[in-house]
Amino acid sequence: NAGVMQNPRHLVRRRGQEARLRCSPVKGHSHVYWYRQLPEEGLKFMVYLQKENIIDESGMPKERFSAEFPKEGPSILRIQQVVRGDSAAYFCASSPGLGTKNNSPLHFGNGTRLTVT
Amino acid sequence: AQKITQTQPGMFVQEKEAVTLDCTYDTSDPSYGLFWYKQPSSGEMIFLIYQGSYDQQNATEGRYSLNFQKARKSANLVISASQLGDSAMYFCAMREVYSSASKIIFGSGTRLSIRP
Repeated sequence: NAGVMQNPRHLVRRRGQEARLRCSPVKGHSHVYWYRQLPEEGLKFMVYLQKENIIDESGMPKERFSAEFPKEGPSILRIQQVVRGDSAAYFCASSPGLGTKNNSPLHFGNGTRLTVT
Repeated sequence: AQKITQTQPGMFVQEKEAVTLDCTYDTSDPSYGLFWYKQPSSGEMIFLIYQGSYDQQNATEGRYSLNFQKARKSANLVISASQLGDSAMYFCAMREVYSSASKIIFGSGTRLSIRP
């Protein structure tokens, strides 16, 4: 029963490079969420995806950030031309399909700590 | 719009005492769920307890219970008989069923420190 798998655990990028963060949800989960956490702060919602669809990207910066959850393979959060302010922990979470149920907790990965130098 | 507020940035509690972590929320959705997560220093997010807006009884999970006061829009976490391993950040979170596409939003957290 593998949980949410995120890799890499730590990622160091120089300003201007691209960062690609991967997330494999719990087997059978069709919903993926990405959150960003700055030190000593809460988790900020970025984007919510289902297979091949972006459902809500209201928390995603309009530029440089993109996310996908293809039919096959992990979900990818991509940050182009990284800047120092992108340094944070990025958490992926998954849940099964909800319907009208609201009691499914999110299952979180251990996060990717991105450091931009 | 949904909103979660945790007004206690940090708390110190003596081991074996009970502790209450405050959480208030705002939503116009008639159906919603409330969650508490623990984040130890290692960084992972651990789900603790859930309360549905239509649940008649307060949720309990072992030493964790949720003091749900719907009219006051509060969902405080109570930890009984605190242990040193309870030292961590605690986040309150909410999911609306009909609006906001079922995303979960989090409060700013409370750092709980247990003194031996």
